[in-house]
Amino acid sequence: DVKVTQSSRYLVKRTGEKVFLECVQDMDHENMFWYRQDPGLGLRLIYFSYDVKMKEKGDIPEGYSVSREKKERFSLILESASTNQTSMYLCASSAQAGPPQHFGDGTRLSIL
Amino acid sequence: AQSVTQPDIHITVSEGASLELRCNYSYGATPYLFWYVQSPGQGLQLLLKYFSGDTLVQGIKGFEAEFKRSQSSFNLRKPSVHWSDAAEYFCAVGMQGAQKLVFGQGTRLTINP
Repeated sequence: DVKVTQSSRYLVKRTGEKVFLECVQDMDHENMFWYRQDPGLGLRLIYFSYDVKMKEKGDIPEGYSVSREKKERFSLILESASTNQTSMYLCASSAQAGPPQHFGDGTRLSIL
Repeated sequence: AQSVTQPDIHITVSEGASLELRCNYSYGATPYLFWYVQSPGQGLQLLLKYFSGDTLVQGIKGFEAEFKRSQSSFNLRKPSVHWSDAAEYFCAVGMQGAQKLVFGQGTRLTINP
């Protein structure tokens, strides 16, 4: 069974902390994505990666960075967490040139 | 500006009834079109997609969607809903390919027994 696994379901951090959200996929997919999901706004793309060490900004990259050192792992980094980054974060993967196909169950992040 | 609109925030239908969820987009050319479903506490699952060709596309779980260029719409339909269809549904549009998608706000579907 194919899986996209996000390291935490719930996470609570403090303002100003550096926060790491981890995502691992076991399908050898080229593409990986990070979205945030907020009520009434749907999903918004933060970053995506189409290959190891390659990345492209999405619609809302400000305040975030990403790392993809290995094909199966895609990390989202909040450099200095702020309360407006409290949200649900979803990771996804897809095969080459395809839409996001497989999603993780999400990480609900609260910044206090 | 490019946008995707799902006009209905919440829809309630009876089990066994037919379903249509609306999606409209604003874009100058024919985009890639998708519908996803999200069950409570889970990530999204791709129901179906349209890239080109036949404007009526079949998806998983008995869903279908029809692309209507003249109306800039891509509505999702199911002839008879089941209680397990209760979820949130998202329409998404790829305006520069199939990777960078713009999602609608979502429609929450409730099923009455």
